[in-house]
Amino acid sequence: EAQVTQNPRYLITVTGKKLTVTCSQNMNHEYMSWYRQDPGLGLRQIYYSMNVEVTDKGDVPEGYKVSRKEKRNFPLILESPSPNQTSLYFCASTYSPGRISSTDTQYFGPGTRLTVL
Amino acid sequence: AQTVTQSQPEMSVQEAETVTLSCTYDTSESNYYLFWYKQPPSRQMILVIRQEAYKQQNATENRFSVNFQKAAKSFSLKISDSQLGDTAMYFCAWAGGTSYGKLTFGQGTILTVHP
Repeated sequence: EAQVTQNPRYLITVTGKKLTVTCSQNMNHEYMSWYRQDPGLGLRQIYYSMNVEVTDKGDVPEGYKVSRKEKRNFPLILESPSPNQTSLYFCASTYSPGRISSTDTQYFGPGTRLTVL
Repeated sequence: AQTVTQSQPEMSVQEAETVTLSCTYDTSESNYYLFWYKQPPSRQMILVIRQEAYKQQNATENRFSVNFQKAAKSFSLKISDSQLGDTAMYFCAWAGGTSYGKLTFGQGTILTVHP
């Protein structure tokens, strides 16, 4: 089954304690990205990757890091989480970053609810 | 930069009736796509419908249809014969320009279907 998986689904942590949210896709997609969802703001892109070893900032990258060592994995790293990073996080992937064909679509992970105390 | 605006934070409708969710966007790109996503309480993001900007014809998917007004930069979603399972947050989104991989989302509209 084609899917994007994220772990953990829920996480409560404290300020400053480094954490990693994993993301993996089994569709051989080139493009992967992370979004955060906040009330009244919708979803905003944090970082994206167009292929292995190619990553770039999205609209709200401050306080986050990513890596893309393998095509299927795209972890989100918070080296020193702060309360303003409390949010719902989604990983997403799609095949072609350059053009959406009639058959391409974005696949979203199930979301990770992060609370930073 | 592209922006997407949903001006209705919350909407409600009676079961079996029709409801329209509004979305406006701003872009200088000529080639782009517009989407409506549904997010039920499970938080899963579900693609409801997609519209290609170069197509004149409005997209439809069963009970879901759009009214795409390119000149007005308007992209509304009509849900006919509303069902209790339609209760969800709905997001309008845009993709295009140099990277179709990035989605720009609106703020979302919470739709409640009442029995």
